Amino acid sequence: DQQVKQNSPSLSVQEGRISILNCDYTNSMFDYFLWYKKYPAEGPTFLISISSIKDKNEDGRFTVFLNKSAKHLSLHIVPSQPGDSAVYFCAAKGNTDKLIFGTGTRLQVFP
Amino acid sequence: NAGVTQTPKFRVLKTGQSMTLLCAQDMNHEYMYWYRQDPGMGLRLIHYSVGEGTTAKGEVPDGYNVSRLKKQNFLLGLESAAPSQTSVYFCASSYFSQGAFGANVLTFGAGSRLTVL
Repeated sequence: DQQVKQNSPSLSVQEGRISILNCDYTNSMFDYFLWYKKYPAEGPTFLISISSIKDKNEDGRFTVFLNKSAKHLSLHIVPSQPGDSAVYFCAAKGNTDKLIFGTGTRLQVFP
Repeated sequence: NAGVTQTPKFRVLKTGQSMTLLCAQDMNHEYMYWYRQDPGMGLRLIHYSVGEGTTAKGEVPDGYNVSRLKKQNFLLGLESAAPSQTSVYFCASSYFSQGAFGANVLTFGAGSRLTVL
């Protein structure tokens, strides 16, 4: 039973445009959410996070939005750059020590 | 600074063989984790440890064992490898944090690709 879902396996966006990556979760006990970015042959690296007490967190070109009632979060990248091409994982944590990851979305930013 | 180091990076096993993956971190992190990544499945937690001498099961623990004898090392063992364990394995570590922010910001190793024939 997948508690964290990323329903779009891939996304293609033109350079300079906005990329929107979506993530849905089912466990209402999750209270902390993170996005990780992964390049081929490397481990995932932390990108941005948000606590359930907020609905938005921004860091440069990256903004994460959280809609608790819909159990949905999204990552906005604007403007998108070719170096953003990677696989993006969302992850969620509740009142346990486990961080549960989604299935990932492969973003391709083309010139 | 090395961060999280995994050895070996690649390994090919025959069904039934055993092996151990080693993870070492030099950041004095309390928490350590083993994940596996499979196409269409994302990252799934195998086992984790919240401190030296402790281990706990994750989402997919069957067929694996772990040990955390030293704070900086976390070993993942396969006693009898099966083709279903062909995967890329990632080790990660994090600080213990009681606050919401900073909790479980994992630092990952580069991965170990295991093929079981």
